Amino acid sequence: NAGVTQTPKFQVLKTGQSMTLQCAQDMNHEYMSWYRQDPGMGLRLIHYSVGAGITDQGEVPNGYNVSRSTTEDFPLRLLSAAPSQTSVYFCASSYRTGSHPLAKNIQYFGAGTRLSVL
Amino acid sequence: AQSVAQPEDQVNVAEGNPLTVKCTYSVSGNPYLFWYVQYPNRGLQFLLKYITGDNLVKGSYGFEAEFNKSQTSFHLKKPSALVSDSALYFCAVRANTGGFKTIFGAGTRLFVKA
Repeated sequence: NAGVTQTPKFQVLKTGQSMTLQCAQDMNHEYMSWYRQDPGMGLRLIHYSVGAGITDQGEVPNGYNVSRSTTEDFPLRLLSAAPSQTSVYFCASSYRTGSHPLAKNIQYFGAGTRLSVL
Repeated sequence: AQSVAQPEDQVNVAEGNPLTVKCTYSVSGNPYLFWYVQYPNRGLQFLLKYITGDNLVKGSYGFEAEFNKSQTSFHLKKPSALVSDSALYFCAVRANTGGFKTIFGAGTRLFVKA
């Protein structure tokens, strides 16, 4: 079990470039989320998904797109990077169903992607 | 709308002393409440959660938290702090109305001095 895997670990972009942050989990979790972490602001929810084919917006969705074509993968796309998107990005996953009552609602986090936009 | 407040940016405590990290929340309906810890250059790790039942919840590494509905608080506590407890702590809240949107506080840095 690798858990939640994020790639790349580090990335530097120029303003206007696009890129995709990858997130994969091997725990068959229904729920997946993307957060960004900025100093003094904690974690802010960007987008989340409750299952394959279903996504929804979080607190700060502007400038980001997501899709969930499989249970395992939940990529985050930056269409036109801006310096304001410089941050550390975390992907997280969680069980939804009652078949895992002890683990339900607990989010498992990846190690993060540190993104700089120049 | 859901929100979480962690009023202290940093908490300093001597090793062996009790520690408290404060959290208050706002949510429609009954809350699901969580504490996570983050060590340097790592993702967040789950510590404990309150879903329902006993207001005092025990979690990993000797931590516990008390749910207080009237004060809308969920403070994290430990009877005797260790230097290795030094880390960034996040409180989070989710409404129990069936959605999954989980909102995190800004985080509190705990520094335990030997």
